[in-house]
Amino acid sequence: EAQVTQNPRYLITVTGKKLTVTCSQNMNHEYMSWYRQDPGLGLRQIYYSMNVEVTDKGDVPEGYKVSRKEKRNFPLILESPSPNQTSLYFCASSLWTGNTGELFFGEGSRLTVL
Amino acid sequence: GNSVTQMEGPVTLSEEAFLTINCTYTATGYPSLFWYVQYPGEGLQLLLKATKADDKGSNKGFEATYRKETTSFHLEKGSVQVSDSAVYFCALSDLSSDNAGNMLTFGGGTRLMVKP
Repeated sequence: EAQVTQNPRYLITVTGKKLTVTCSQNMNHEYMSWYRQDPGLGLRQIYYSMNVEVTDKGDVPEGYKVSRKEKRNFPLILESPSPNQTSLYFCASSLWTGNTGELFFGEGSRLTVL
Repeated sequence: GNSVTQMEGPVTLSEEAFLTINCTYTATGYPSLFWYVQYPGEGLQLLLKATKADDKGSNKGFEATYRKETTSFHLEKGSVQVSDSAVYFCALSDLSSDNAGNMLTFGGGTRLMVKP
C-alpha cells in the first residue's frame, strides 16, 4: 500500500529536549516536505527536499533541521524545542512533475512542548 | 507573493443541504488550484483539482470551477452527507513564483459539520 508514515503520532516533551520526527514514503517520490498546521493558519511549509541531499527552507524554518540521506526518509529535527513549536506536523511527498499539486500526506504528528 | 483565502468556519449544515465553501486566491503566475480534505485524525488528501481557467474539477459529488476573472475556486456539493464532515483546504500551486519549492500554498481551512 502506497503511504507516508510518520512517527511518533503523539509526543509530549519539555523545552530544550532534542527530538526527531521520522517520515518515510514507499512511493519512490523525489519531493518531500514538512508542514505545520496551526488553527486559522492552514498549513505552512517548514522545509522541503527535491531529492537526496537536496534540502531547502520553506516559509517557517526557524528552530527546525532536516536531512535527506535516503530517498524514502525525511526526518524533522527539533534541536531545542520551545513551546511555540507546539503544533500538528505533517510530512508529505510527491513526484516532482510541475503543477500537478498532488501531495501525499502522512497522518500527522501532534507535538506538545511544555 | 501567493496567497489563498477561505471562508472561516465552522460551517454547520443539515444532511442533504447544499454546500458552498468560498475560496479566492492571489498568484503571480498561472496557478493550478486544488481542494484537499482532512477527515478527523487523518492527513490531507486530494479531493479535486483544476489546472487552467474555466476547468471544472469534480469528485465524490463535489465540484469547483477555476474562475480566473474573479480569482476564485469555490467548492460546492448539492447534497451533503454526515460522512462529509471534515476540514476542507483550498490550495494553489504556482511553480513560477519565487519560492518554487513550496509546491502548495494553503488557505486556512474550513471545518464542515453535517448533522443528521
